[in-house]
Amino acid sequence: DAKTTQPTSMDCAEGRAANLPCNHSTISGNEYVYWYRQIHSQGPQYIIHGLKNNETNEMASLIITEDRKSSTLILPHATLRDTAVYYCIVSLGISGNTPLVFGKGTRLSVIA
Amino acid sequence: NAGVTQTPKFRVLKTGQSMTLLCAQDMNHEYMYWYRQDPGMGLRLIHYSVGEGTTAKGEVPDGYNVSRLKKQNFLLGLESAAPSQTSVYFCASTELGRGTDTQYFGPGTRLTVL
Repeated sequence: DAKTTQPTSMDCAEGRAANLPCNHSTISGNEYVYWYRQIHSQGPQYIIHGLKNNETNEMASLIITEDRKSSTLILPHATLRDTAVYYCIVSLGISGNTPLVFGKGTRLSVIA
Repeated sequence: NAGVTQTPKFRVLKTGQSMTLLCAQDMNHEYMYWYRQDPGMGLRLIHYSVGEGTTAKGEVPDGYNVSRLKKQNFLLGLESAAPSQTSVYFCASTELGRGTDTQYFGPGTRLTVL
């Protein structure tokens, strides 16, 4: 059963912000929201995660709605190298004996 | 740090042959995972390990066995390969800690079973 819903694909102009949405309406109180990405043929790469508060790191920002039923990953200035499949995952995590489950993700194409 | 390494990078097998994929990590991580990824699909968890000497089944464990004899190594075995096991296999590891599922992935092993 999919815990998250993401658009299949999105386009973004180079240099603009890429906003990737994720719906997780059945999220429980202690489940985290994780984002990973996979550039063609490579292993997935961790981007960011959060529980309730918005988070920011050198790669991206994560905005979680107050009811926690959805979130948005923001790449502030997308480059061609950001073209990848982006996975939104909701999980207790392995500490809760719950390994991450990767769905099909959103294929982001950054266009010059 | 080399991070997570996988051996071999490519392999072609005939149906019924056996092989072992090796995953090694030098980050002293407790948890290790084996995933497979078929074309156009997301990753599916095969087996995982929460520590040396322990293993657990994931979403698609049938046809595979694993062993974690040393903390830094996680082996994935195919006893009798089948064409349905043609896939890209990724290994990952993560450190212990609540909510810190920052998984580090290897470069993958591309396996073709004829």
